[in-house]
Amino acid sequence: EAGVAQSPRYKIIEKRQSVAFWCNPISGHATLYWYQQILGQGPKLLIQFQNNGVVDDSQLPKDRFSAERLKGVDSTLKIQPAKLEDSAVYLCASTQRTGGATPLHFGNGTRLTVT
Amino acid sequence: AQSVSQHNHHVILSEAASLELGCNYSYGGTVNLFWYVQYPGQHLQLLLKYFSGDPLVKGIKGFEAEFIKSKFSFNLRKPSVQWSDTAEYFCAVNAKSSYKLIFGSGTRLLVRP
Repeated sequence: EAGVAQSPRYKIIEKRQSVAFWCNPISGHATLYWYQQILGQGPKLLIQFQNNGVVDDSQLPKDRFSAERLKGVDSTLKIQPAKLEDSAVYLCASTQRTGGATPLHFGNGTRLTVT
Repeated sequence: AQSVSQHNHHVILSEAASLELGCNYSYGGTVNLFWYVQYPGQHLQLLLKYFSGDPLVKGIKGFEAEFIKSKFSFNLRKPSVQWSDTAEYFCAVNAKSSYKLIFGSGTRLLVRP
């Protein structure tokens, strides 16, 4: 099966600019996650979708981050305006269903550098 | 709140050496436990998982991990590492009632040929 697709792979922007990341999950996977991985740390969940509904966005900095999954398939994550501390790898993951025992399938990530 | 600790941030081994990476978690209830691996230039992928039953679980590429409930630990082991095991390894935990996966900070393993 095709994996989770993310684009772009790399992005460099200046602080206060905006940026958007795109994710296409594995076909048939209803649950989609966005994680932020800062250098030297493990991935941290930003938001989880079940189909096109938000299940958990408690750790999403909503003053600057937004995410959508309008048709229950692709998703975009936006940062506006970006701060230096947003420099990180943004990972998208998907699973067939929500459940504690279901392993996540990850994309390659988008490496964001904010200067 | 749940947390995961990986004590070794960087490990350097020679080929054929044995490997043990530590992972401890803090959570009072029943948990699912995972080890993910990220090879250079590749995406995170599942190495092995524990849900229930035999606390010694075997994963891909000769890796295994042992769940010791009394110690809140889920250490990863491999008897003889290869150069191709060079990667970053992440321990992750979620409560059985939850979908939220909490990751440790990762351990970078370098295997010298």
